[in-house]
Amino acid sequence: ILNVEQSPQSLHVQEGDSTNFTCSFPSSNFYALHWYRWETAKSPEALFVMTLNGDEKKKGRISATLNTKEGYSYLYIKGSQPEDSATYLCASRGNDYKLSFGAGTTVTVRA
Amino acid sequence: KAGVTQTPRYLIKTRGQQVTLSCSPISGHRSVSWYQQTPGQGLQFLFEYFSETQRNKGNFPGRFSGRQFSNSRSEMNVSTLELGDSALYLCASSLARGRFLETQYFGPGTRLLVL
Repeated sequence: ILNVEQSPQSLHVQEGDSTNFTCSFPSSNFYALHWYRWETAKSPEALFVMTLNGDEKKKGRISATLNTKEGYSYLYIKGSQPEDSATYLCASRGNDYKLSFGAGTTVTVRA
Repeated sequence: KAGVTQTPRYLIKTRGQQVTLSCSPISGHRSVSWYQQTPGQGLQFLFEYFSETQRNKGNFPGRFSGRQFSNSRSEMNVSTLELGDSALYLCASSLARGRFLETQYFGPGTRLLVL
């Protein structure tokens, strides 16, 4: 099982501000990196899956980048809105196919 | 298309008892994975089933077991419950075609409390 770390554990951002946070994963035996958004009382929802070094994905105001050589991914939220409040999970899939999740970054957007 | 469903949503058991949780995947999805989440921890992988066979397994004791039926529905069983088994149990389904890039779709979870 891969060791995936996310930082910070939580953050507060003012509505309209942009923010970003990190997912670190072992770069050896890496196959894919997944990002999920998990809102309170809902199921985790898939945001992105990335596999190639330098990959960038975008969905509305949320985007993500991937660096497989150094083993990290950034998730960016541009112009944060209250509905962006959620826990963002990253998960790395290694060659054993298992998804190893980080503990998440909880984002709270203040109006 | 209906999403992943899990039953029951909440469960209270006492130490030593056993429990069975159920997961119905999205129609057409053949892979079902189970995860445990405890406070402060990420989702911990329990096991994955595909075509009624366990295809992958996490680092959990043998008290945790599962199975998958021919309609892809899956059950997870925990025997001899311990206080530390109190957690949110999530299942996720996927088509299981392009395995490494495949997105998993999660159910709402079953919250188990062991007293």
